[in-house]
Amino acid sequence: EAQVTQNPRYLITVTGKKLTVTCSQNMNHEYMSWYRQDPGLGLRQIYYSMNVEVTDKGDVPEGYKVSRKEKRNFPLILESPSPNQTSLYFCASHTTRVNEQFFGPGTRLTVL
Amino acid sequence: AQSVTQLGSHVSVSEGALVLLRCNYSSSVPPYLFWYVQYPNQGLQLLLKYTSAATLVKGINGFEAEFKKSETSFHLTKPSAHMSDAAEYFCAVSDPDDYKLSFGAGTTVTVRA
Repeated sequence: EAQVTQNPRYLITVTGKKLTVTCSQNMNHEYMSWYRQDPGLGLRQIYYSMNVEVTDKGDVPEGYKVSRKEKRNFPLILESPSPNQTSLYFCASHTTRVNEQFFGPGTRLTVL
Repeated sequence: AQSVTQLGSHVSVSEGALVLLRCNYSSSVPPYLFWYVQYPNQGLQLLLKYTSAATLVKGINGFEAEFKKSETSFHLTKPSAHMSDAAEYFCAVSDPDDYKLSFGAGTTVTVRA
């Protein structure tokens, strides 16, 4: 089954404790993105990747890091999480620039 | 840069009534436009997309949207609401030469029996 998977689905952590949210897709897509969803703001892009070892900042990259060492994986790293990063995070992938984006199920992060 | 405005953060309709969700966009070039649906505790699913072909686009679950360049709009409609249509709906716009997908704030639809 074609899908984007994220882990963990739920995470509660404390300020300053480094964490990684994993994202994996099995569709051989070149493009992958991370978004955060906040009430009243819709989804905002954090980072995106056009292929292995090629990444760029989205609208809200501060406080986040990403890496793309393999085509299928695109982890999101929070080196020192803060409460304002409490949000619902989505990973997405697609084959071309403007093709349909396939979304993962989301990761709900709470930073205390 | 593109931006999207969705008019109305909440819409309530009766089962069997017309669903109309409004989306206006701003873009410096002819855009690509999308409607996504998010059911509770799930990711986003594509309903339909406009990529410069026919201006009236039909999607899944009986939804359709019309691209109106003169009004910079891409409103989503469904003639007859079903209980299963209760969800949050997002309009999104993309510049054909950009990788970014810009989303509206979303509209939550509730369906009354």
